[in-house]
Amino acid sequence: DSGVTQTPKHLITATGQRVTLRCSPRSGDLSVYWYQQSLDQGLQFLIQYYNGEERAKGNILERFSAQQFPDLHSELNLSSLELGDSALYFCASSSGLAGRTDTQYFGPGTRLTVL
Amino acid sequence: QQPVQSPQAVILREGEDAVINCSSSKALYSVHWYRQKHGEAPVFLMILLKGGEQKGHEKISASFNEKKQQSSLYLTASQLSYSGTYFCGTENTDKLIFGTGTRLQVFP
Repeated sequence: DSGVTQTPKHLITATGQRVTLRCSPRSGDLSVYWYQQSLDQGLQFLIQYYNGEERAKGNILERFSAQQFPDLHSELNLSSLELGDSALYFCASSSGLAGRTDTQYFGPGTRLTVL
Repeated sequence: QQPVQSPQAVILREGEDAVINCSSSKALYSVHWYRQKHGEAPVFLMILLKGGEQKGHEKISASFNEKKQQSSLYLTASQLSYSGTYFCGTENTDKLIFGTGTRLQVFP
């Protein structure tokens, strides 16, 4: 158990809908990262927050947005969902203190299925 | 730029050795290695830093060649528990970019 929690575990929805994925980092971690993993694909970095502020951005679609709240939990919002958005979405956290050498601890993921 | 991993897949018998390679077209400051079992979250294995420092906690070794912009992960005397997909991650302007992964299967 990494100490990172994600809810829900599974999400099934229809095209065109909007969903929110939630992540709670490990106690004391200030950085939260979001990744997308499609079937048999690698981990695609979406976005990183550090202590409430956006720190780095990857190939995140305009239909996707995220935020980190004062209590450090983070939410990833996916809107106008398409079939291709079906994937495992992982959240990871790190202390944020070591910068590029931070170890990232991954949550169990949210499996999104768009029908 | 996504790092390139090789081989794509490895099949081993318990007790055999394997090497997984990761190469980047960009200069590397650090290389991170993670292992992911099917349906589970990736788990940290180790970080290799420019200058030779290695941070990790598993009995798996690795090398980091800064000049060649490559890293290799060495799995010796493999165990059944080593099965999974191994990802290397290279940092790029504060982002960790993961390779496509190497699938390792260990059979008894």
